[in-house]
Formats: sequence, structure tokens, C-alpha cells
Amino acid sequence: ELKVEQNPLFLSMQEGKNYTIYCNYSTTSDRLYWYRQDPGKSLESLFVLLSNGAVKQEGRLMASLDTKARLSTLHITAAVHDLSATYFCAVVIQGAQKLVFGQGTRLTINP
Amino acid sequence: EAQVTQNPRYLITVTGKKLTVTCSQNMNHEYMSWYRQDPGLGLRQIYYSMNVEVTDKGDVPEGYKVSRKEKRNFPLILESPSPNQTSLYFCASSLLGRRTGEGPNYGYTFGSGTRLTVV
Repeated sequence: ELKVEQNPLFLSMQEGKNYTIYCNYSTTSDRLYWYRQDPGKSLESLFVLLSNGAVKQEGRLMASLDTKARLSTLHITAAVHDLSATYFCAVVIQGAQKLVFGQGTRLTINP
Repeated sequence: EAQVTQNPRYLITVTGKKLTVTCSQNMNHEYMSWYRQDPGLGLRQIYYSMNVEVTDKGDVPEGYKVSRKEKRNFPLILESPSPNQTSLYFCASSLLGRRTGEGPNYGYTFGSGTRLTVV
């Protein structure tokens, strides 16, 4: 059974600082997604990572994938308040269609 | 606009009163799925469907039913709701297979969510 674990679950940080959210998964994956969710809203797709060593960047967010370590990271550079949200990683089992989510990381960025 | 439409957005009901949450997509996606979201647990899959008349249980199917009579619709049915089904529900859809790229033809598209409270 595929398990996906995020770390940390809660993160409070100052504007301008850098930080990283980690996503570990337990079995071979076909692809990995990062989503953002604002309170009471739906999920917004940020990145899809398909292969070992994949790196994608959008603004202050950068995601990477290490399939050998079964680890993805979401790095936040020079955080701003607008990035406050809950971030989820989600993994698709190789050869399947099911999307399995981590617990989510609630990120709060303080001025 | 390519989208997944869920209704209602908010629902308060009483224990035991049957209800249906509707989900419709306009992208001709084969795969549709229901998730519930609870604090600290992320999103957990309830049921999924690979195509018309093909449905299967996810991780937390107890107390729920689904049907897939048409490709675009995938309603979630609670025959006898209980307070432990109070949650935020999301419907999602995708094309089958491993596809790269951006936009509604790639990845998973989520509905706006249904906040259900059972008292």
C-alpha cells in the first residue's frame, strides 16, 4: 500500500526566509504532484514531476524529485505572505490511476 | 471552460436522511474519483470510476455509494448519513494514463468542494 508522508505538518515562518517541505512516499511512483489549497477552496495544481531529478520552478516555489530516495521537496525562497496556504503532495502508483495524498503542510508566513 | 462542477457547495443535514452530491465534468475524462478531506488526514479516496459502469472502492468507502451511468457524471450517495461523515468532499477527474504537460487534458482537475455537516 502506498503511503505518503509530509514533513512538517505545520510551518510558521517570517517573510523573506527560505524553507523546505518534504514529501516521502513508500513505493515506486509514476508521477508526483504538488497542490496548493487556500482555506475553504479547492486544490490548485502547482507542479507535476515525472522522472528522477526533475526540477520545476514557478516564482518563489521550486519542486524537485528523487525517485531513488522516494523523496520530493518543495522549496520556498524569500517567502511572502501570499504564499500562506496548505500544500499537499500527491503520488500516483506506478501503472495505476489513483492519487494518494500526504497529510498536507499548513504554511503561515508572518510579516 | 473546462471544469468539474460539484453541487451543492454547502449542505447541512440530519442523521439518516439520504442525500446525493453531484459531480459533473465537461472534459470527456474517463477517470473520476471522490475524496474526503479531514484535518490532519489529507485527502482520502472514497470511490473511483475508470469509465462508464466501472466503479470501485477507494480507501474509505463505508457508508457511501456511487454510480457512473454517463461519462460526465459521478454522483456520491449517502444512503443514511452519520455525523462521522461530516467532512469536505472533492470530486476529481482525469484522462486515463500517464500524460505530460499542462492544462485540463493533463493531471487531475478538482471540483470546488462540498462542505457537508451531518447533525
